Amino acid sequence: EIVMTQSPATLSVSPGERVTLSCRASQSVSIKLAWYQQKPGQAPRLLIYGASTRAIGIPARFSGSGSGTEFTLTISSLQSEDFGVYYCQQYNNWPPLTFGGGTKVEIK
Amino acid sequence: QVHLVESGGGVVQPGRSLRLSCAVSGFTFSAYAMHWVRQAPGKGLEWVAIISYDGNNKYYADSVKGRFTISRDNSKDTLYLQMNRLIAEDTAVYYCARDYLEGRSGNAFDIWGQGTMVIVSS
Repeated sequence: EIVMTQSPATLSVSPGERVTLSCRASQSVSIKLAWYQQKPGQAPRLLIYGASTRAIGIPARFSGSGSGTEFTLTISSLQSEDFGVYYCQQYNNWPPLTFGGGTKVEIK
Repeated sequence: QVHLVESGGGVVQPGRSLRLSCAVSGFTFSAYAMHWVRQAPGKGLEWVAIISYDGNNKYYADSVKGRFTISRDNSKDTLYLQMNRLIAEDTAVYYCARDYLEGRSGNAFDIWGQGTMVIVSS
């Protein structure tokens, strides 16, 4: 099973700041890596797939990068609606499909 | 509009069974693999099971293998999760989700339902 590790666990950020979230895989997942945003009481929303491709309707301030075992999600200028928990997920080697533990982004 | 609507959750005693349903609309259900993903209270996301677009291939997380069965009825645009021998650790919100690649299996999840809560408690 591929273990996904996200850091940091929590991030407090002011609106307008640049945010960088990290995700590490225990072995290479190529670029088969997705990012999701989840707000309280809501289902997750797909942001990025293929490590760097934005899903339909996702604002350009969200970008993904990386390959192999190291991945990054960047929010270029944090908006107030971007608070929530962000999860990475690998789909290169399954079953099981595996998620990271999440990074909580709080608005300062 | 694409919609996934789960139902069937509730409170159930340990050892009992429950069947979840996910009614789909707004896309060709029979063309997509489907998943169940769960989230225990205050915890992260855990993939549970996948079924291929035609229902011929199914895979499960080790934590539910042998107890849960995923199935689908493409004539009714509905996904199911039969959960047997439930334990406290199965307590979670259960989401159905669509595999984003038509005709393929085991990818990212692009469409999610709103979730249905399952509580296993005596």
